[in-house]
Amino acid sequence: KNEVEQSPQNLTAQEGEFITINCSYSVGISALHWLQQHPGGGIVSLFMLSSGKKKHGRLIATINIQEKHSSLHITASHPRDSAVYICAVVAQRNTDKLIFGTGTRLQVFP
Amino acid sequence: DGGITQSPKYLFRKEGQNVTLSCEQNLNHDAMYWYRQDPGQGLRLIYYSQIVNDFQKGDIAEGYSVSREKKESFPLTVTSAQKNPTAFYLCASSTTGGVIYGYTFGSGTRLTVV
Repeated sequence: KNEVEQSPQNLTAQEGEFITINCSYSVGISALHWLQQHPGGGIVSLFMLSSGKKKHGRLIATINIQEKHSSLHITASHPRDSAVYICAVVAQRNTDKLIFGTGTRLQVFP
Repeated sequence: DGGITQSPKYLFRKEGQNVTLSCEQNLNHDAMYWYRQDPGQGLRLIYYSQIVNDFQKGDIAEGYSVSREKKESFPLTVTSAQKNPTAFYLCASSTTGGVIYGYTFGSGTRLTVV
């Protein structure tokens, strides 16, 4: 079993819909990252969280440390949000590196 | 602007040849990383370096080699010993200090071995 699990694996939405992507992890963590990978392959860091909630534009990320769960929300989705969204954690046992989920592929249609 | 530059974007090589992927950063980050991405799998760590002239194996280091002679540069060599080298390779860098901040990724190199 992977230490970081994401759901769903694939997600299709109509423009304007509210999107939620979930991430569950089984290890103690120091921080959690949400990343966005565009079709060309480059990855952009969206958020780093260690508690609570962060908001940037139409993106909101939350984390519940006790439940070992994080969510990424996209409000008023747009076709340009189509990408793979990746959850990654910094484990307390080894803060030198990230442990990645397999990603959620999101497609938003006009 | 600061960032990470990976080159080339696409690379084709014949089986049995070594190939070196370039990664340069001007973010003054101490730590640099190489990841491999295969379809349907999460990124897997190949090698990482937290300081010049020092590096550690990641989870899938076999068939790869690296060097860190300068803070800005962390090239990855895919050797002929790597059994399945065709993949997407991502370089990243970060500050260090217990928890990774300022994690920045390059745009990747897609390597195809024929």
